[in-house]
Amino acid sequence: GAGVSQTPSNKVTEKGKYVELRCDPISGHTALYWYRQSLGQGPEFLIYFQGTGAADDSGLPNDRFFAVRPEGSVSTLKIQRTERGDSAVYLCASSLTGVVYNEQFFGPGTRLTVL
Amino acid sequence: GESVGLHLPTLSVQEGDNSIINCAYSNSASDYFIWYKQESGKGPQFIIDIRSNMDKRQGQRVTVLLNKTVKHLSLQIAATQPGDSAVYFCADRFSGGYNKLIFGAGTRLAVHP
Repeated sequence: GAGVSQTPSNKVTEKGKYVELRCDPISGHTALYWYRQSLGQGPEFLIYFQGTGAADDSGLPNDRFFAVRPEGSVSTLKIQRTERGDSAVYLCASSLTGVVYNEQFFGPGTRLTVL
Repeated sequence: GESVGLHLPTLSVQEGDNSIINCAYSNSASDYFIWYKQESGKGPQFIIDIRSNMDKRQGQRVTVLLNKTVKHLSLQIAATQPGDSAVYFCADRFSGGYNKLIFGAGTRLAVHP
């Protein structure tokens, strides 16, 4: 079956611009996660959705970052007034549920470059 | 695709040898520990996990060992193959933190023929 997909695969933008990153989770997965991975680092948790609601957004670095999942499937990570320090690979993952431990399946990521 | 982990510690092994990758964790309340493999330009791929009430778990060619006394986790890969070349991350799940994972810094495994 299809895995987690993310679009675009690469995004280059200028400092101060707004960007949206999209994640399509595995069908039937109620939990969705966003992570950020800087070069040479492990993925860093940003936000977790259980269904349509953000159950844990403690990893969002500041109020320029926002994510939605209006129908409990596709999610969009939105970054306002991008800064050069936002450059990273943004990873999305999904799992059957987030309430108990179960395997997270990761997408290939979106590489964001802020010039 | 983008190279992940350009400045990570590297473990170099000969094809056919066994590999051991180590990881230290800090949260004594974590209840699951997971190893992921990440190839260049791809997302992390699940390898094996272990629950905190176990000290060893085996999969196909892989074994994970957990030492809670010293908060240490290791991944053993038997008969390492060129396809095993990647960056390996350990992650743990805080028992009170839903399914949120905290990843370590990673180790690059380079397999030489």
